[in-house]
Amino acid sequence: ETGVTQSPTHLIKTRGQQVTLRCSSQSGHNTVSWYQQALGQGPQFIFQYYREEENGRGNFPPRFSGLQFPNYSSELNVNALELDDSALYLCASSDRGGWETQYFGPGTRLLVL
Amino acid sequence: AQTVTQSQPEMSVQEAETVTLSCTYDTSESDYYLFWYKQPPSRQMILVIRQEAYKQQNATENRFSVNFQKAAKSFSLKISDSQLGDAAMYFCAYRRLTGTASKLTFGTGTRLQVTL
Repeated sequence: ETGVTQSPTHLIKTRGQQVTLRCSSQSGHNTVSWYQQALGQGPQFIFQYYREEENGRGNFPPRFSGLQFPNYSSELNVNALELDDSALYLCASSDRGGWETQYFGPGTRLLVL
Repeated sequence: AQTVTQSQPEMSVQEAETVTLSCTYDTSESDYYLFWYKQPPSRQMILVIRQEAYKQQNATENRFSVNFQKAAKSFSLKISDSQLGDAAMYFCAYRRLTGTASKLTFGTGTRLQVTL
């Protein structure tokens, strides 16, 4: 059974650019949730994908968007990057729409200059 | 909206001693889940322990146990026989039992230092 993986591990972008982060869910899991963790804070829920559909969204603007693929891997896209988007982005995979335990990946550290 | 509060930004414990991390939460729901996650310097969140609100018995996982006080909306984590590998950020989290999205709501975390 493979764990949750994320790529890349680190990323540096400049303000106004666009970024795509990737997450491979754990084998057998059909749900991926994305969280943003600013420095010194707890993770904040961005959105969740269940069977390729968005299944709930937190308080994030539309420039944060996502996709889930038939193999249940997922992408997080952020357009028009702002300095405040600098954070650790975590994805978590789970089964049954997320109602089982969520298992986290190691995260992608994004720095916006 | 649900909120989770961790009032201890940092705690320190000597190896082999016991430490308790505090967490309070606010919700109008009667059934929900509570979690403690550990985040070591490697950044990966690891589930430590889970408590279902409808269960009166406190959850236990080896050296980790919780004190769940539903009426007080309190959910503390006790770590017994602390080890150097326990040093990490610890996050308390809440999740509804049902709803549209099974999102976790996290507190701000407690950094645990383990000293020799």
